[in-house]
Formats: sequence, structure tokens, C-alpha cells
Amino acid sequence: DTAVSQTPKYLVTQMGNDKSIKCEQNLGHDTMYWYKQDSKKFLKIMFSYNNKELIINETVPNRFSPKSPDKAHLNLHINSLELGDSAVYFCASSQEGQGSNQPQHFGDGTRLSIL
Amino acid sequence: AQSVSQHNHHVILSEAASLELGCNYSYGGTVNLFWYVQYPGQHLQLLLKYFSGDPLVKGIKGFEAEFIKSKFSFNLRKPSVQWSDTAEYFCAVTQNQGGKLIFGQGTELSVKP
Repeated sequence: DTAVSQTPKYLVTQMGNDKSIKCEQNLGHDTMYWYKQDSKKFLKIMFSYNNKELIINETVPNRFSPKSPDKAHLNLHINSLELGDSAVYFCASSQEGQGSNQPQHFGDGTRLSIL
Repeated sequence: AQSVSQHNHHVILSEAASLELGCNYSYGGTVNLFWYVQYPGQHLQLLLKYFSGDPLVKGIKGFEAEFIKSKFSFNLRKPSVQWSDTAEYFCAVTQNQGGKLIFGQGTELSVKP
């Protein structure tokens, strides 16, 4: 009964490939997020969706494209992977959007390694 | 731009020692404040949060934090740490009206048995 689940947990692939990471939440939350955690553990938001609508889009390369088929799912597709994309990607969800006092619930992360 | 600063990059303590991790933020308006913990190889979990009321908030596992508005601080404390508290600790802030959740750079806590 995992609240926020991401797949895969580990993703090892070569430069130039296209890959997707899936995220699903069963908490009934309206808002979902993608974060990138670099090698120094620094966490930075990439995208935020509220009820399938994009509300936050940070300065992320166009190669990254989020897709939200419904409010329980937010997938991340990455084209033409580069070495610098190696990181841990966390999905999260919350009851209200950014700026509220509701905490975010995080998935276990996807460790992406680019060879 | 709004920012969050955690003063300690890596803290090493022995079991039963007291802990205080510093967190300062730059935004001058009304904020919501959070501390998250990330155990090795795991996802972030909420320790505690503050959005109004008593500035001393208590969280899970014996942690507490004090919001001092005049100092723009939200330091995390625990009177007596355990080996199982070894983890990465993140302070995070969001503005009350809109705005992103901004994380500090994290503090790695190592507790020696």
C-alpha cells in the first residue's frame, strides 16, 4: 500500500537514449511533483502538476517532458540522455499546491545512471 | 530570490549526545517551514512542520524545532540522538501564498554507536 510509488528504482542506460520514469500516488492528492537530487544531495524542483495541469516548470532542458494522464499519475520522459542527467529523481505529491502548509509525500526515488 | 541555508554539512555525534541543526531562510513574508529526513537509500519523510501557532513544534521520533521569526530560523533539535538517527536532514520552506518548496542543501548526521 505504498503511497507514492516510482518505477524503476534503478535505471542504467547509455548517453543519447530516451527513457521514462513512472510515478503513481494513491493518496488522492491533487498535486504531484518531480525533483532532481544531485550527487551532493541537493534537491531541486523540476515540475509540478495540479489536477493534470502544469503549474511549475523550472529551467529544465526541453529534453525533459512530464506527462500527467490523470491526477494520480505523473510520468517523466527524458530524451537524448546526457551524462549530467545522472541523479536521483524523486516524485512527490501533496493535498494542495505549492505554497500551502500541507507536506509533500515522496516516492523512493529513481537512481538514473548514464554511461 | 528565496533561499534556505543549512549551516552544517556533516555532523558527527556519539549516541546520547544532543543535536541541533541550523536552518535559516531568506524570505521576509509568511512562510511554512518543514524538516524532512532521508534515511540511507530511502525517500524523504516529514519530521515536523510549522505554519502558525506555537513556534516550538514537536515532530516524530523525539525531534522538535523552534521557529524564531526575528532570526529567520527554524533549527531542529533532539536531546539525545540514537544510532538510528543517522540520515540526511533537509530544511524546506514555502511561502504562504504560492511559491515553490525550497530545500536547504541538507545536513548529513552520523551517529556513532
